[in-house]
Amino acid sequence: NAGVMQNPRHLVRRRGQEARLRCSPMKGHSHVYWYRQLPEEGLKFMVYLQKENIIDESGMPKERFSAEFPKEGPSILRIQQVVRGDSAAYFCASSPTGSRDGYTFGSGTRLTVV
Amino acid sequence: AQKITQTQPGMFVQEKEAVTLDCTYDTSDPSYGLFWYKQPSSGEMIFLIYQGSYDQQNATEGRYSLNFQKARKSANLVISASQLGDSAMYFCAMRPPGANNLFFGTGTRLTVIP
Repeated sequence: NAGVMQNPRHLVRRRGQEARLRCSPMKGHSHVYWYRQLPEEGLKFMVYLQKENIIDESGMPKERFSAEFPKEGPSILRIQQVVRGDSAAYFCASSPTGSRDGYTFGSGTRLTVV
Repeated sequence: AQKITQTQPGMFVQEKEAVTLDCTYDTSDPSYGLFWYKQPSSGEMIFLIYQGSYDQQNATEGRYSLNFQKARKSANLVISASQLGDSAMYFCAMRPPGANNLFFGTGTRLTVIP
C-alpha cells in the first residue's frame, strides 16, 4: 500500500525553464493538495484538486503556475519560466475525502532554480 | 485570518526526558482541527496527532500527546521519553471549518541530546 508518491525528489532548472512536478495520491484517495515550503518556513497551501477539477486555487500565484489532476495519471504542478524565487520544496498531500480526514503527505520535490 | 504561532524556533531536550512544543492559534471559528507534523532532515512530512476543537479529551498517540487548552487557544505537543530519532522540525497546523487546506506555523526545531 504505497503512500503518496512524488517525483522527482530533486529538480534543478535554469531560470526561464519549465518545471513539472508529479504526484500520485495514495490508492483510494481522490483529493490532492499542493503546498510550497520556502526555506526555514512552514508549508503554504497552493491548490486543491479532485479528479479533473480544480476546487480551490486560492494559494496559487496568478502567473506561471498551473496544476491539473487528470482522470488517468498523476497530478501535475507546472511552473513555467522559473525564477530563483521559485526554489522551494513542493509537497503533495492526498485524502480520501475533502474534509475531516487527515492528509497523507508525500516526501516532496525540492526545486532549485539556478 | 487564520494564524498559527510557534514561538520556539529551537528546543533542546535530554534523551529520555519529556519536552513540550508550544503552539497557539487565532481563529474566530468554534469548529476547527489541529494537527502536528514532524519533518526530519530527510524532508518528508509525517503526521503525528490530531485534535478536533470539540473533542472532549486531549489526543494521545503513543509518546505524543496534545495539551489542548481551548480557552487559551493553545495546542502544545508533548513528547514523552524523547529519543534521538525525535530530532526534527515540528509543525503545528490548523484547518478551519469548511476549509480545504491547512495553515501551518513556522515550526520548532527539536534537538535531542544523548
